Amino acid sequence: QQQVKQSPQSLIVQKGGISIINCAYENTAFDYFPWYQQFPGKGPALLIAIRPDVSEKKEGRFTISFNKSAKQFSLHIMDSQPGDSATYFCAASSAGNNRKLIWGLGTSLAVNP
Amino acid sequence: NAGVTQTPKFRVLKTGQSMTLLCAQDMNHEYMYWYRQDPGMGLRLIHYSVGEGTTAKGEVPDGYNVSRLKKQNFLLGLESAAPSQTSVYFCASSYWGQENTGELFFGEGSRLTVL
Repeated sequence: QQQVKQSPQSLIVQKGGISIINCAYENTAFDYFPWYQQFPGKGPALLIAIRPDVSEKKEGRFTISFNKSAKQFSLHIMDSQPGDSATYFCAASSAGNNRKLIWGLGTSLAVNP
Repeated sequence: NAGVTQTPKFRVLKTGQSMTLLCAQDMNHEYMYWYRQDPGMGLRLIHYSVGEGTTAKGEVPDGYNVSRLKKQNFLLGLESAAPSQTSVYFCASSYWGQENTGELFFGEGSRLTVL
């Protein structure tokens, strides 16, 4: 049973456009929601994370929007650049599950120049 | 600062052979994880450890064993490799701070092919 559902599976965006990746979760005990970025041949790396006590967090061109009532959160990449082309994973965690991250299946983003 | 180092980076095995993947971290993290990554299947947790001397099963533990004899090392063993274990394996270590926030630091992966 997949507890974090991520969409779309792949995304193509023009340079300068906005990339939007969505995730939905089921477990209301989740209280930490990170996004990881993975370039080909590398391990994932933390991009940005949010806790459910805020509805939005922004770091540079990357923004997480969080909707607690809908149990959804999304990553917005403003002014997308070719260097943003990577696979993005959303995840969720709760202190009660031994701090294991529950991962979405990933979104492959391609930004065309 | 090396972070998380995985060895070997590439390995080809024949069905039935055994091998061990080594993960070493120099950040004094308590938590360590082994994942496998297959196309379209995301990251699946094999085993993890919450501290030296402890191990626990993840989502897909069958066919794998682990050991955490030293805090900085987490070993993943395949006793009898099968073609279904062809994958890219990632090790990660993490800290967890207050309010259940933390960050996983990943190695660069070990690509294993079982013929």
